[in-house]
Amino acid sequence: GQSLEQPSEVTAVEGAIVQINCTYQTSGFYGLSWYQQHDGGAPTFLSYNALDGLEETGRFSSFLSRSDSYGYLLLQELQMKDSASYFCAVSSNTGKLIFGQGTTLQVKP
Amino acid sequence: GAGVSQSPSNKVTEKGKDVELRCDPISGHTALYWYRQSLGQGLEFLIYFQGNSAPDKSGLPSDRFSAERTGGSVSTLTIQRTQQEDSAVYLCASSLAPLVAVSTDTQYFGPGTRLTVL
Repeated sequence: GQSLEQPSEVTAVEGAIVQINCTYQTSGFYGLSWYQQHDGGAPTFLSYNALDGLEETGRFSSFLSRSDSYGYLLLQELQMKDSASYFCAVSSNTGKLIFGQGTTLQVKP
Repeated sequence: GAGVSQSPSNKVTEKGKDVELRCDPISGHTALYWYRQSLGQGLEFLIYFQGNSAPDKSGLPSDRFSAERTGGSVSTLTIQRTQQEDSAVYLCASSLAPLVAVSTDTQYFGPGTRLTVL
């Protein structure tokens, strides 16, 4: 089967850096994705890692270590609008995507 | 271009009734996914259609749930004899071509259908 673990809540202040960790167990691992979801909205794609290392997209970066079955999302220069839920998701070699339970990020002034 | 659309946006039904939820994926996307999200929870995988392959139904919670995708495009999720625990937001997503490249693997989500079973 597949399972993912990520913290349920994280709080940080504007301008700070926050890291959201994700550990996973899966067979047929293909890649690790991150999605953002604002209250009442649909999830939107943020980042994807298929290989070990860091992927940077503006203020957001994502890291993957396949040997450790671990990844993280790094958010820099936090803004109030970054308050949302962040989901890691594992894709298998069949194309199926399994999501974690999500981490609620609250950014305070 | 148009994104993923879902209808209805809200559905209130009585326990025991059947409901049909519709998803129109982005044109040309070969893969279509259904998820369920309860309040404050993660996305629970339900079913995955890819091209002409047999769908992956491994996430359907019971035989009251079924889905079909006609002509490789529109999909309908049907819940028979609804129960109160079926109340949730049902999200549909599509992707261009899974397992090919990051750009084609990205899932685009519709706004969801909020189902309330009384």
